Amino acid sequence: DTGVSQNPRHKITKRGQNVTFRCDPISEHNRLYWYRQTLGQGPEFLTYFQNEAQLEKSRLLSDRFSAERPKGSFSTLEIQRTEQGDSAMYLCAIAVGETQYFGPGTRLLVL
Amino acid sequence: GQQVMQIPQYQHVQEGEDFTTYCNSSTTLSNIQWYKQRPGGHPVFLIQLVKSGEVKKQKRLTFQFGEAKKNSSLHITATQTTDVGTYFCAGRAGANNLFFGTGTRLTVIP
Repeated sequence: DTGVSQNPRHKITKRGQNVTFRCDPISEHNRLYWYRQTLGQGPEFLTYFQNEAQLEKSRLLSDRFSAERPKGSFSTLEIQRTEQGDSAMYLCAIAVGETQYFGPGTRLLVL
Repeated sequence: GQQVMQIPQYQHVQEGEDFTTYCNSSTTLSNIQWYKQRPGGHPVFLIQLVKSGEVKKQKRLTFQFGEAKKNSSLHITATQTTDVGTYFCAGRAGANNLFFGTGTRLTVIP
C-alpha cells in the first residue's frame, strides 16, 4: 500500500472526448506529482503541486491538459479533446522527503 | 534538456546469474534514485544515492553512484525469479524534478 489511490484504474474513451482522473493521497502530503508513462518507457514528469499551488508544468502538458489540487489534498488531471497519442498510464506520486511514492495509475486508452 | 539513458534495454538471465544495469546522465546530478516496476505495477522506490562514489547494498542488490555524479549502476547477485521487473534510475539536478531513465527490463529464466 503506497498511500496513494487513483481512480479510475482503467479508462477507455473515444477520440475527442474529455476525461478526468483523480489522485487521493491517504494522508496529507505537501508535494504531489503527475507523470505519464507509455509502454516501454520510464515515467515522464507532467506537473507538480506544493499544497494547492501548481509550481511546475512540463512542456509535455499541452493546453488540452489541466491539473488541479483545490484543497491541497486530492488532485485531478483532465484531458480535453483526447487524441490517440494520449493513450498511456497516468501516475500520481506523493513525495516524502526526496522519495516519491506512486499510486497504481490510471491506464487510458483512446480509440 | 536533461536526459537519462539506461543500458541494456532488456536482459534475460538464468536464475542464479548476476545482472547489472547502467545509467548515464547528460548532466551532473545532485542525487540519483532507483525504482523497480513489476509487470502491470507501478514504480516502487528502492534507494537514493547522494555522494560522489557512494556504494549502498540491499541484500543481493548493490547500487553505485559514479565519481562524477553522472552515472550509476545497479548490480543484482544471484538473481531470483522475484527480481523480475523493470529497473529505472531517476536523476535529479539541483532542485529540479526527477528525470527517469528508459529502464532495463529484467527477465529471469527459472
